[in-house]
Amino acid sequence: GAGVSQSPSNKVTEKGKDVELRCDPISGHTALYWYRQSLGQGLEFLIYFQGNSAPDKSGLPSDRFSAERTGGSVSTLTIQRTQQEDSAVYLCASSRDSPSNTEAFFGQGTRLTVV
Amino acid sequence: AQSVAQPEDQVNVAEGNPLTVKCTYSVSGNPYLFWYVQYPNRGLQFLLKYITGDNLVKGSYGFEAEFNKSQTSFHLKKPSALVSDSALYFCAVMGRRALTFGSGTRLQVQP
Repeated sequence: GAGVSQSPSNKVTEKGKDVELRCDPISGHTALYWYRQSLGQGLEFLIYFQGNSAPDKSGLPSDRFSAERTGGSVSTLTIQRTQQEDSAVYLCASSRDSPSNTEAFFGQGTRLTVV
Repeated sequence: AQSVAQPEDQVNVAEGNPLTVKCTYSVSGNPYLFWYVQYPNRGLQFLLKYITGDNLVKGSYGFEAEFNKSQTSFHLKKPSALVSDSALYFCAVMGRRALTFGSGTRLQVQP
């Protein structure tokens, strides 16, 4: 596709339910990132995938959060037993190779609301 | 650990005046520095980057940024602001891991 695609664009879920957020990166991009942006705030790093290397999970806020990237392409961010503080916009980005060489392109995000 | 500081939550400037959005960074080794802009209800868009070379980097929409190694700064500038430049601006640094973003600065350009 032309850009990074995220689905769903909006998700409302009940507290305690599990949710899955999907990211389709730009074709051929080896690096993929997940960030979280609370209302009007900065971007909080969650997880980073680079090629076949082990992902950098150092930003995941709790063990309720997990992510995988299948076949080096599509990524899914899963939040188990959602809490109200998980409400935020979840942003995915991809870059062509080493992030020091190329800029990251962002998707439009998934707005998650936990009620 | 790498970090980015954007000391101003908001910058107000009159249309036609020059603007500066400040950013300082902390990273081990050579810094790779980026500016992104987020318009209302839109995703983040890349503006410009510094990897190596000239300290003055030119980017999209007439923006530029000056890398200053001694001050560990990478301030975003534009000679003449437009109302349409009003948005949220993020500075980011790439070190040994993924991009680390600052908290963002809201730029408000008044007509």
